[in-house]
Amino acid sequence: DVKVTQSSRYLVKRTGEKVFLECVQDMDHENMFWYRQDPGLGLRLIYFSYDVKMKEKGDIPEGYSVSREKKERFSLILESASTNQTSMYLCAIRYNHNQPQHFGDGTRLSIL
Amino acid sequence: RKEVEQDPGPFNVPEGATVAFNCTYSNSASQSFFWYRQDCRKEPKLLMSVYSSGNEDGRFTAQLNRASQYISLLIRDSKLSDSATYLCVVTSGGYQKVTFGIGTKLQVIP
Repeated sequence: DVKVTQSSRYLVKRTGEKVFLECVQDMDHENMFWYRQDPGLGLRLIYFSYDVKMKEKGDIPEGYSVSREKKERFSLILESASTNQTSMYLCAIRYNHNQPQHFGDGTRLSIL
Repeated sequence: RKEVEQDPGPFNVPEGATVAFNCTYSNSASQSFFWYRQDCRKEPKLLMSVYSSGNEDGRFTAQLNRASQYISLLIRDSKLSDSATYLCVVTSGGYQKVTFGIGTKLQVIP
Protein backbone atom coordinates (compact mmCIF):
# COMPACT_ATOMS: atom_id res chain seq x y z
CA ASP A 1 0.00 0.00 0.00
CA VAL A 2 1.18 3.50 -0.86
CA LYS A 3 1.94 5.56 2.24
CA VAL A 4 2.19 9.33 2.17
CA THR A 5 2.44 10.93 5.59
CA GLN A 6 1.82 14.60 6.28
CA SER A 7 3.13 15.89 9.58
CA SER A 8 -0.08 17.41 10.93
CA ARG A 9 -3.81 16.99 10.24
CA TYR A 10 -4.66 20.36 11.77
CA LEU A 11 -2.43 23.36 12.37
CA VAL A 12 -3.10 26.86 13.66
CA LYS A 13 -0.50 29.60 13.19
CA ARG A 14 -0.32 33.35 13.44
CA THR A 15 0.14 35.93 10.70
CA GLY A 16 3.82 36.52 9.96
CA GLU A 17 5.03 33.17 11.32
CA LYS A 18 7.24 30.90 9.25
CA VAL A 19 5.35 27.63 8.79
CA PHE A 20 6.73 24.24 7.79
CA LEU A 21 4.57 21.47 6.35
CA GLU A 22 6.27 18.11 5.98
CA CYS A 23 5.48 15.24 3.65
CA VAL A 24 7.18 11.84 3.85
CA GLN A 25 6.74 8.86 1.52
CA ASP A 26 7.86 5.27 1.86
CA MET A 27 7.53 4.33 -1.83
CA ASP A 28 10.82 5.63 -3.24
CA HIS A 29 8.86 7.66 -5.82
CA GLU A 30 10.74 10.46 -7.51
CA ASN A 31 7.85 12.82 -8.12
CA MET A 32 6.38 14.78 -5.23
CA PHE A 33 3.81 17.60 -5.29
CA TRP A 34 2.25 20.19 -3.00
CA TYR A 35 -1.32 21.44 -3.62
CA ARG A 36 -3.76 23.61 -1.81
CA GLN A 37 -7.50 23.08 -2.07
CA ASP A 38 -10.10 25.77 -1.50
CA PRO A 39 -13.88 25.66 -1.95
CA GLY A 40 -14.90 26.59 -5.47
CA LEU A 41 -11.29 26.65 -6.70
CA GLY A 42 -10.37 22.98 -6.65
CA LEU A 43 -6.80 21.74 -6.30
CA ARG A 44 -4.08 24.18 -7.27
CA LEU A 45 -0.45 23.17 -7.67
CA ILE A 46 2.03 25.15 -5.57
CA TYR A 47 5.34 23.37 -6.25
CA PHE A 48 6.56 20.03 -7.44
CA SER A 49 9.81 18.10 -7.45
CA TYR A 50 11.07 15.41 -9.81
CA ASP A 51 14.19 14.53 -7.88
CA VAL A 52 16.27 15.33 -4.84
CA LYS A 53 17.23 19.03 -4.66
CA MET A 54 15.05 19.68 -7.71
CA LYS A 55 11.97 21.92 -7.61
CA GLU A 56 9.63 23.50 -10.12
CA LYS A 57 7.03 26.20 -9.59
CA GLY A 58 3.43 25.27 -10.02
CA ASP A 59 0.51 27.61 -10.69
CA ILE A 60 0.53 29.52 -7.39
CA PRO A 61 4.07 29.55 -5.89
CA GLU A 62 3.95 33.09 -4.48
CA GLY A 63 4.45 33.16 -0.74
CA TYR A 64 5.74 29.59 -0.62
CA SER A 65 9.04 27.77 -0.97
CA VAL A 66 9.97 24.10 -0.86
CA SER A 67 12.85 21.88 0.11
CA ARG A 68 13.76 18.37 -1.00
CA GLU A 69 17.03 17.35 0.58
CA LYS A 70 16.16 13.64 0.70
CA LYS A 71 14.12 11.59 -1.74
CA GLU A 72 11.50 10.61 0.79
CA ARG A 73 10.79 14.08 2.19
CA PHE A 74 9.28 17.16 0.54
CA SER A 75 8.73 20.22 2.71
CA LEU A 76 6.49 23.20 2.02
CA ILE A 77 7.45 26.47 3.70
CA LEU A 78 5.25 29.50 4.18
CA GLU A 79 7.86 32.22 4.54
CA SER A 80 5.58 34.70 6.34
CA ALA A 81 2.11 33.28 6.82
CA SER A 82 -0.87 35.38 5.83
CA THR A 83 -4.60 34.84 6.39
CA ASN A 84 -5.16 34.12 2.69
CA GLN A 85 -2.99 31.03 3.08
CA THR A 86 -5.62 29.41 5.30
CA SER A 87 -6.43 26.28 3.33
CA MET A 88 -6.26 22.50 3.04
CA TYR A 89 -2.75 21.49 1.93
CA LEU A 90 -2.26 18.18 0.16
CA CYS A 91 0.96 16.38 -0.64
CA ALA A 92 1.02 13.85 -3.48
CA ILE A 93 3.55 11.42 -4.92
CA ARG A 94 3.80 9.76 -8.31
CA TYR A 95 5.97 6.92 -9.57
CA ASN A 96 6.41 8.33 -13.09
CA HIS A 97 4.60 10.59 -15.52
CA ASN A 98 2.16 7.94 -16.74
CA GLN A 99 1.06 6.89 -13.29
CA PRO A 100 -1.60 8.41 -11.05
CA GLN A 101 -0.80 10.45 -7.97
CA HIS A 102 -1.36 9.26 -4.43
CA PHE A 103 -2.20 11.75 -1.72
CA GLY A 104 -1.48 12.19 1.95
CA ASP A 105 -4.32 12.84 4.40
CA GLY A 106 -3.95 16.60 4.09
CA THR A 107 -3.19 19.38 6.56
CA ARG A 108 -5.90 21.88 7.45
CA LEU A 109 -3.96 25.05 8.11
CA SER A 110 -5.54 28.10 9.73
CA ILE A 111 -3.67 31.39 9.85
CA LEU A 112 -5.05 33.79 12.44
CA ARG B 1 -11.18 28.27 -21.59
CA LYS B 2 -10.17 26.18 -18.57
CA GLU B 3 -7.74 23.33 -19.18
CA VAL B 4 -10.08 20.82 -17.57
CA GLU B 5 -13.79 21.49 -17.12
CA GLN B 6 -16.38 19.67 -15.08
CA ASP B 7 -19.95 20.45 -14.12
CA PRO B 8 -19.73 21.00 -10.34
CA GLY B 9 -23.29 19.72 -9.80
CA PRO B 10 -24.64 18.68 -7.39
CA PHE B 11 -26.16 15.66 -9.06
CA ASN B 12 -28.90 14.29 -6.81
CA VAL B 13 -29.89 10.78 -7.86
CA PRO B 14 -31.97 8.03 -6.22
CA GLU B 15 -30.40 4.78 -5.10
CA GLY B 16 -30.15 2.31 -7.96
CA ALA B 17 -29.99 4.97 -10.65
CA THR B 18 -27.36 5.23 -13.35
CA VAL B 19 -25.47 8.50 -13.48
CA ALA B 20 -22.82 9.80 -15.86
CA PHE B 21 -20.32 12.62 -15.59
CA ASN B 22 -18.30 14.20 -18.36
CA CYS B 23 -15.07 16.10 -18.20
CA THR B 24 -13.65 18.09 -21.12
CA TYR B 25 -10.00 18.99 -21.61
CA SER B 26 -8.41 21.61 -23.86
CA ASN B 27 -4.96 20.19 -24.62
CA SER B 28 -5.20 17.73 -27.50
CA ALA B 29 -1.75 16.37 -26.59
CA SER B 30 -2.92 15.19 -23.15
CA GLN B 31 -1.68 11.70 -22.46
CA SER B 32 -2.99 10.26 -19.20
CA PHE B 33 -6.44 10.46 -17.67
CA PHE B 34 -7.80 9.48 -14.28
CA TRP B 35 -10.91 9.69 -12.11
CA TYR B 36 -10.54 10.35 -8.40
CA ARG B 37 -13.10 10.26 -5.63
CA GLN B 38 -13.00 12.72 -2.76
CA ASP B 39 -15.12 12.44 0.36
CA CYS B 40 -15.91 15.53 2.40
CA ARG B 41 -12.83 16.84 4.23
CA LYS B 42 -10.70 13.93 3.03
CA GLU B 43 -7.95 13.55 0.47
CA PRO B 44 -8.65 12.55 -3.17
CA LYS B 45 -8.33 8.82 -3.81
CA LEU B 46 -7.75 7.17 -7.16
CA LEU B 47 -10.94 5.60 -8.48
CA MET B 48 -9.69 4.44 -11.85
CA SER B 49 -7.41 5.20 -14.74
CA VAL B 50 -9.02 5.89 -18.11
CA TYR B 51 -7.76 3.96 -21.11
CA SER B 52 -8.32 4.67 -24.79
CA SER B 53 -10.39 1.52 -25.24
CA GLY B 54 -12.54 2.27 -22.22
CA ASN B 55 -12.43 0.29 -19.01
CA GLU B 56 -14.75 -1.05 -16.37
CA ASP B 57 -14.38 -1.74 -12.68
CA GLY B 58 -17.49 -3.26 -11.20
CA ARG B 59 -20.28 -0.69 -11.40
CA PHE B 60 -17.93 1.98 -12.77
CA THR B 61 -17.10 2.52 -16.44
CA ALA B 62 -14.66 5.09 -17.77
CA GLN B 63 -14.42 6.21 -21.38
CA LEU B 64 -12.05 8.45 -23.32
CA ASN B 65 -13.06 10.31 -26.47
CA ARG B 66 -9.94 11.89 -27.95
CA ALA B 67 -11.72 13.32 -30.98
CA SER B 68 -14.07 15.38 -28.82
CA GLN B 69 -11.57 15.73 -25.99
CA TYR B 70 -13.58 14.45 -23.09
CA ILE B 71 -13.59 11.64 -20.58
CA SER B 72 -16.62 10.19 -18.91
CA LEU B 73 -17.51 8.20 -15.80
CA LEU B 74 -20.62 6.06 -15.62
CA ILE B 75 -21.88 4.70 -12.31
CA ARG B 76 -24.52 2.00 -12.46
CA ASP B 77 -26.82 0.94 -9.61
CA SER B 78 -25.83 3.91 -7.43
CA LYS B 79 -25.29 3.25 -3.74
CA LEU B 80 -25.56 5.70 -0.85
CA SER B 81 -21.84 5.18 -0.34
CA ASP B 82 -21.14 6.56 -3.82
CA SER B 83 -21.99 10.05 -2.52
CA ALA B 84 -18.79 12.05 -2.96
CA THR B 85 -17.08 14.51 -5.27
CA TYR B 86 -15.59 13.02 -8.43
CA LEU B 87 -12.50 14.70 -9.84
CA CYS B 88 -11.17 14.20 -13.33
CA VAL B 89 -7.44 14.50 -13.86
CA VAL B 90 -5.50 15.05 -17.07
CA THR B 91 -1.73 14.98 -17.56
CA SER B 92 0.05 16.64 -20.45
CA GLY B 93 3.24 18.36 -21.49
CA GLY B 94 6.91 17.60 -21.13
CA TYR B 95 6.82 17.26 -17.34
CA GLN B 96 3.44 15.59 -17.57
CA LYS B 97 1.73 18.45 -15.80
CA VAL B 98 -1.22 17.28 -13.78
CA THR B 99 -4.43 19.28 -14.03
CA PHE B 100 -7.47 18.60 -11.88
CA GLY B 101 -11.04 19.46 -12.68
CA ILE B 102 -12.99 21.26 -10.01
CA GLY B 103 -14.98 18.10 -9.27
CA THR B 104 -18.57 16.99 -9.66
CA LYS B 105 -20.55 16.46 -6.49
CA LEU B 106 -22.80 13.40 -6.39
CA GLN B 107 -25.46 12.87 -3.75
CA VAL B 108 -27.25 9.52 -3.81
CA ILE B 109 -30.55 9.74 -1.96
CA PRO B 110 -32.57 6.88 -0.42
